[in-house]
Amino acid sequence: EVQLVESGGGLVQPGGSLRLSCSASGFTFSSYAMHWVRQAPGKGLEYVSAISSNGGSTYYADSVKGRFTISRDNSKNTLYLQMSSLRAEDTAVYYCVKSVRYSNYFDYWGQGTLVTVSS
Amino acid sequence: DIQMTQSPSSLSASVGDRVTVTCRAGQNIATYLNWYQQKPGKAPKLLIYAASTLQSGVPSRFSGSTSGTDFTLTISGLQPEDVASYYCQQSYRVPYTFGQGTKLEIK
Repeated sequence: EVQLVESGGGLVQPGGSLRLSCSASGFTFSSYAMHWVRQAPGKGLEYVSAISSNGGSTYYADSVKGRFTISRDNSKNTLYLQMSSLRAEDTAVYYCVKSVRYSNYFDYWGQGTLVTVSS
Repeated sequence: DIQMTQSPSSLSASVGDRVTVTCRAGQNIATYLNWYQQKPGKAPKLLIYAASTLQSGVPSRFSGSTSGTDFTLTISGLQPEDVASYYCQQSYRVPYTFGQGTKLEIK
């Protein structure tokens, strides 16, 4: 059974940093691209970042470029999102997502972890 | 970025009704269009991929269709458990953008 379990969310002050982790199991983690999608309270889904299966290629939304870093450790089956210079508008539930090859749709989502940026 | 325009933003229908949600892509995305269902407090769940392929385990009352850059999600025979928000997403090119979402309620 595929499982994606996020951790690391919490309350952080504006300008602060936080690292999210996503522990994956039930599939060959190193074979699939992974993504972070976030959802601000009461809002829609926003695509945040992506990383290729071997970590060699990454993508960032303009809203987080230069502040967030996505990475993965295929030996630990873990995806990361290092977030710095956090702003109030980064407050959201962050989902770790697995995509399938070629068609790229998101077949599995984690339960999400809440990040709240507030003083 | 490829813009996805989804409508309506909300709708209310009765149990047993046929419900449609539409999504228009800002450019050609072939059939790289997916639909997700999100119930309150839960993570999104894949319903349909490649415009019209039902994900395993999804009830057959859900269906998807396409006409050019216009895509439609149809629920044939609305059930109370279908109360949720629905999102389209293109997976043709990164960033894999989402539509704004449709909140579906029961009358």
